[in-house]
Amino acid sequence: IAGITQAPTSQILAAGRRMTLRCTQDMRHNAMYWYRQDLGLGLRLIHYSNTAGTTGKGEVPDGYSVSRANTDDFPLTLASAVPSQTSVYFCASSEGQGSTEAFFGQGTRLTVV
Amino acid sequence: GQNIDQPTEMTATEGAIVQINCTYQTSGFNGLFWYQQHAGEAPTFLSYNVLDGLEEKGRFSSFLSRSKGYSYLLLKELQMKDSASYLCAVMDSNYQLIWGAGTKLIIKP
Repeated sequence: IAGITQAPTSQILAAGRRMTLRCTQDMRHNAMYWYRQDLGLGLRLIHYSNTAGTTGKGEVPDGYSVSRANTDDFPLTLASAVPSQTSVYFCASSEGQGSTEAFFGQGTRLTVV
Repeated sequence: GQNIDQPTEMTATEGAIVQINCTYQTSGFNGLFWYQQHAGEAPTFLSYNVLDGLEEKGRFSSFLSRSKGYSYLLLKELQMKDSASYLCAVMDSNYQLIWGAGTKLIIKP
């Protein structure tokens, strides 16, 4: 079944540790995104990639990095986790920048203690 | 700054009609989106409006007024499975989505 897959689904992480959230899509979409979702706030864009080999910063990029070595994969790395990074993280993809529909992964629930 | 406002929570009765409003102030406008998100799940696309007027899709309709910075999502013949959060988002001049905090819709029998 075509779609977008995130791993892990949940994780408890000690503060200061490094963590990579994985995201893979098989729809051959050019654009991919990482959002965080916190209670009472809208989805906030962390980083995005409009095409393989390029990335850009979103609204809340500090403490996070991404790479886009190929079309399918878009990992998100927390270099040194802090408790304020406790959140639900969603990866999404769309055909291209400005597409009228984005598809979301099931999310990663991350708790930093 | 950019801002999307929608009510935090609404309650409606099974079989009834409910209207969820969204107002926005953004840097540019390239369309307004509504997504549905069930608790613990991913958001899923419902509708897209870029021109003024009403777009109907089955039991769901979405309306846009660009001059007023206003949209609403209309849900008819409510079913229990419609209990979810409804997210309003606007695509700005940089083609990035700006999201509202979502409206939690509770359906009562």
